[in-house]
Amino acid sequence: GENVEQHPSTLSVQEGDSAVIKCTYSDSASNYFPWYKQELGKGPQLIIDIRSNVGEKKDQRIAVTLNKTAKHFSLHITETQPEDSAVYFCAARMNTGFQKLVFGTGTRLLVSP
Amino acid sequence: NAGVMQNPRHLVRRRGQEARLRCSPMKGHSHVYWYRQLPEEGLKFMVYLQKENIIDESGMPKERFSAEFPKEGPSILRIQQVVRGDSAAYFCASPQGAGELFFGEGSRLTVL
Repeated sequence: GENVEQHPSTLSVQEGDSAVIKCTYSDSASNYFPWYKQELGKGPQLIIDIRSNVGEKKDQRIAVTLNKTAKHFSLHITETQPEDSAVYFCAARMNTGFQKLVFGTGTRLLVSP
Repeated sequence: NAGVMQNPRHLVRRRGQEARLRCSPMKGHSHVYWYRQLPEEGLKFMVYLQKENIIDESGMPKERFSAEFPKEGPSILRIQQVVRGDSAAYFCASPQGAGELFFGEGSRLTVL
């Protein structure tokens, strides 16, 4: 089955800096890679996703890149703000017809003012 | 949370009691996923249900856990004879047309 590894487990940056979170996946059949933001006491919120036919996708300060050959994908947050502080999860999904996601272990991002 | 409703938000049970967690997907949607998040860990798939049908239960523990999604009413995740290791946040998710999964705010179970 699919296995997703995520690094780093914690990341501290100053406001205005960039933050990068990296994930690797094991199953080359995976074709959908979402990123979720989870604030304390809340459910995961989908913030951006990328499919295997695309190498990069941007949405304002957030971007995701995918390298299918190396089987890794990354989340990039530019101009970080204190409200970006949260736990971020990457996930991968195989093309099974079901939307079953396999999640990474999460990255706790702290943005200091 | 895209209209995915879960209740209760918090539930406290003593060892040996039963826990019932409820989830209503977005209006008009008939599929739900249940995930479990242990403290300081990622989300683990438990079960995928369609109304009146279990599609994939490969992530469900073999004993004490069951799930259903009746024709009428919410999906229910039932944990019998709870143990301390069942303490976790349980999330329900509703799939959307393009394949995205949208999660509810979760039910946090504490077993004393």
